[in-house]
Amino acid sequence: EPEVTQTPSHQVTQMGQEVILRCVPISNHLYFYWYRQILGQKVEFLVSFYNNEISEKSEIFDDQFSVERPDGSNFTLKIRSTKLEDSAMYFCASSDPGTGMDEQYFGPGTRLTVT
Amino acid sequence: QKEVEQNSGPLSVPEGAIASLNCTYSDRVSQSFFWYRQYSGKSPELIMSIYSNGDKEDGRFTAQLNKASQYVSLLIRDSQPSDSATYLCAVKRSGGYQKVTFGTGTKLQVIP
Repeated sequence: EPEVTQTPSHQVTQMGQEVILRCVPISNHLYFYWYRQILGQKVEFLVSFYNNEISEKSEIFDDQFSVERPDGSNFTLKIRSTKLEDSAMYFCASSDPGTGMDEQYFGPGTRLTVT
Repeated sequence: QKEVEQNSGPLSVPEGAIASLNCTYSDRVSQSFFWYRQYSGKSPELIMSIYSNGDKEDGRFTAQLNKASQYVSLLIRDSQPSDSATYLCAVKRSGGYQKVTFGTGTKLQVIP
């Protein structure tokens, strides 16, 4: 069964450093998303992406964040200057508008630890 | 008012019993409703989606939706210890680019 994959599974970085989190969405899906979950808190939406453009973003997704689809398979989230409060699980998700369903399928996540 | 409200639990049920999980939401424009299961340290796993008022059954799971009451529920029949997890209620407006809004989740414990 097709699934969303994410790398790395765990990333440790120092405050102020740049990190890139990578995702490979399900191959026939066209909508891509990033969510994050701070330990013990709910899953929060960051951004949605379609046709090489950001479709919607939350107030969390400020200028330190960016997304890119660098090729036909990868979808990345860049955090330019990490802060301690960026420590969280980051989930990539994708969906297929062709089915007429709104279901979003999540990858296994990247645990980001900022020290 | 929280966008999606769930009782945080834990909800403890004996093995073989029915577990009933409830959720209310505030956005009347929501059109799509989901239940995700999340094991500790893992990602949300979609287990049910429901779009119309009424019941939808899939195996041991039944989702119920009442848009007038802004209420969604999930019943798990013949609960198994492997069902022990946090169940996330989630809602979405129509449109592929729209975000899914999650509740904080209900922790379910199935006691052997």
